[in-house]
Amino acid sequence: GAVVSQHPSWVICKSGTSVKIECRSLDFQATTMFWYRQFPKQSLMLMATSNEGSKATYEQGVEKDKFLINHASLTLSTLTVTSAHPEDSSFYICSASPDRFKLFFGSGTQLSVL
Amino acid sequence: AQKVTQAQTEISVVEKEDVTLDCVYETRDTTYYLFWYKQPPSGELVFLIRRNSFDEQNEISGRYSWNFQKSTSSFNFTITASQVVDSAVYFCALTRDYGQNFVFGPGTRLSVLP
Repeated sequence: GAVVSQHPSWVICKSGTSVKIECRSLDFQATTMFWYRQFPKQSLMLMATSNEGSKATYEQGVEKDKFLINHASLTLSTLTVTSAHPEDSSFYICSASPDRFKLFFGSGTQLSVL
Repeated sequence: AQKVTQAQTEISVVEKEDVTLDCVYETRDTTYYLFWYKQPPSGELVFLIRRNSFDEQNEISGRYSWNFQKSTSSFNFTITASQVVDSAVYFCALTRDYGQNFVFGPGTRLSVLP
């Protein structure tokens, strides 16, 4: 069945570095993908909507210059956390739909910034 | 605006007990979809059920059952004869369409003790 692949599963980085997270739809095309963030013991909150070929739409309070989203193809969206700081440590997860009746989540990326 | 409330933050039960997780939602849309996801410690979201707003039939799947009542805007989830492997965080979520983002409830952390 359709799968959304997210990579890496976890990453540890030093403060000030940038981290890229990939979200791929493996056997379907997705013009839209969603990025969520989950702080420890909290719910998932939508960060941004990634649109293929155009700018992402960010939710209120999410810094677009810090969380760069690129959706250059119909099967790949990337989230880059620029100049990461410890407060960016979180679980990031993407989702995509092949059609109006299915939706799949990636397996998530645990980011730890030291 | 859409909102999902899960009043129970944490629940602990002893194995073989039945447990019900509550979910109350708010939406102005006449068409919408409700979901339950399980998030084990590994972090990935495991799909449990989808219910659209037109279908108020309750559903049973093995030890799991769901009670959807539009009159009270509730979509409760019951685990019968709970098992230790059921220990996880459970999220109720709402979306107006698969092409749209999900609104997640805050989650209920279920601990099933042996």
